[in-house]
Amino acid sequence: KQEVTQIPAALSVPEGENLVLNCSFTDSAIYNLQWFRQDPGKGLTSLLLIQSSQREQTSGRLNASLDKSSGRSTLYIAASQPGDSATYLCAVGGFGGSEKLVFGKGTKLTVNP
Amino acid sequence: GAVVSQHPSWVICKSGTSVKIECRSLDFQATTMFWYRQFPKQSLMLMATSNEGSKATYEQGVEKDKFLINHASLTLSTLTVTSAHPEDSSFYICSVTSGYEQYFGPGTRLTVT
Repeated sequence: KQEVTQIPAALSVPEGENLVLNCSFTDSAIYNLQWFRQDPGKGLTSLLLIQSSQREQTSGRLNASLDKSSGRSTLYIAASQPGDSATYLCAVGGFGGSEKLVFGKGTKLTVNP
Repeated sequence: GAVVSQHPSWVICKSGTSVKIECRSLDFQATTMFWYRQFPKQSLMLMATSNEGSKATYEQGVEKDKFLINHASLTLSTLTVTSAHPEDSSFYICSVTSGYEQYFGPGTRLTVT
């Protein structure tokens, strides 16, 4: 059974700092890995999708890496801004498609001005 | 990406009553939609896969007679929580898959009193 763990559970940083969020998963037989952002009481916004054959994806100030063999992914946020404050969720898609995403509990990020 | 809406965004109901939640794919014909549930400070957990024109597929531990899913068209899936209890209070969120990514609705906050 796939299990996804995110560390740390919460993180508070000053504005402008670069930061890394960590995600680990127990079963390396994944199809893809997706990072989401969730604002309080809101739905999920897809940030980055990494296919199992890829090593990293970049979008603006965000960079996500994937090391499937070790069961790890990181989300790097450069030059953090108060607007980045949210909960970041990591989810892995099982072999055969992106259905049945298994989510971590998330990392709650607070960027202080 | 796909645009997904949900209605209502929040609902309060009395114990023993039923409540229906709608999930609409606004710009994409979705033969499959997914229903997730998120308890406070917990991961999103897949409840069921909604299939257009056929029966939903439920995850282990989810009561199909309690959580009725209807996917009557390519743009609408409904989740009805029957005989709701306070322990059903949660954040219910749906999603569709477009390409390799999942796109989520804004979620519905259900409170059972």
